[in-house]
Amino acid sequence: IAGITQAPTSQILAAGRRMTLRCTQDMRHNAMYWYRQDLGLGLRLIHYSNTAGTTGKGEVPDGYSVSRANTDDFPLTLASAVPSQTSVYFCASSDSMEGSNEQFFGPGTRLTVL
Amino acid sequence: GQNIDQPTEMTATEGAIVQINCTYQTSGFNGLFWYQQHAGEAPTFLSYNVLDGLEEKGRFSSFLSRSKGYSYLLLKELQMKDSASYLCAVRDSNYQLIWGAGTKLIIKP
Repeated sequence: IAGITQAPTSQILAAGRRMTLRCTQDMRHNAMYWYRQDLGLGLRLIHYSNTAGTTGKGEVPDGYSVSRANTDDFPLTLASAVPSQTSVYFCASSDSMEGSNEQFFGPGTRLTVL
Repeated sequence: GQNIDQPTEMTATEGAIVQINCTYQTSGFNGLFWYQQHAGEAPTFLSYNVLDGLEEKGRFSSFLSRSKGYSYLLLKELQMKDSASYLCAVRDSNYQLIWGAGTKLIIKP
């Protein structure tokens, strides 16, 4: 049982390039999330999906887009990367956005934009 | 705005007890979570509180006072493997988690 996988593990990207971070879960969870984690700051929600076919904006959505074509996959796209998007990106999933449902996190993608 | 406050760093001795505090101001409240995150790894779930009081789970306990906007995580019989960051997160009125910056706990022998 893999849980949540993310790819790539790390990436160095030139500013202005397009990049898609991949996230796949095998727990049949309805809800999925993308966070970024920066030193000295808490995790910040970029986008989320309550269920397949729907997405919503989090706290810091600008410069990012997501899609949720099926239950398992939730890719995050940077259309034109900028240095301020250098961060560690975590994908997470939960059975629901409500109740005691905990979020399970993937191993993260470390992205550097130069 | 929404705000979660935790101490940046704490130091404790192996075998001792430590309490990590979290205060919050959020738009709405739909539960509070504590997560553990070892350096270079993903956060993992520790506890959930939605009603006032203490939730005990082995060596870890978590307390919530909604009227005071306050929670704490209590770790007993500290072990070296407990050296990690502890993240407090509140689910707001939109059912999104608002996260504190985390408390780095250093355990000394």
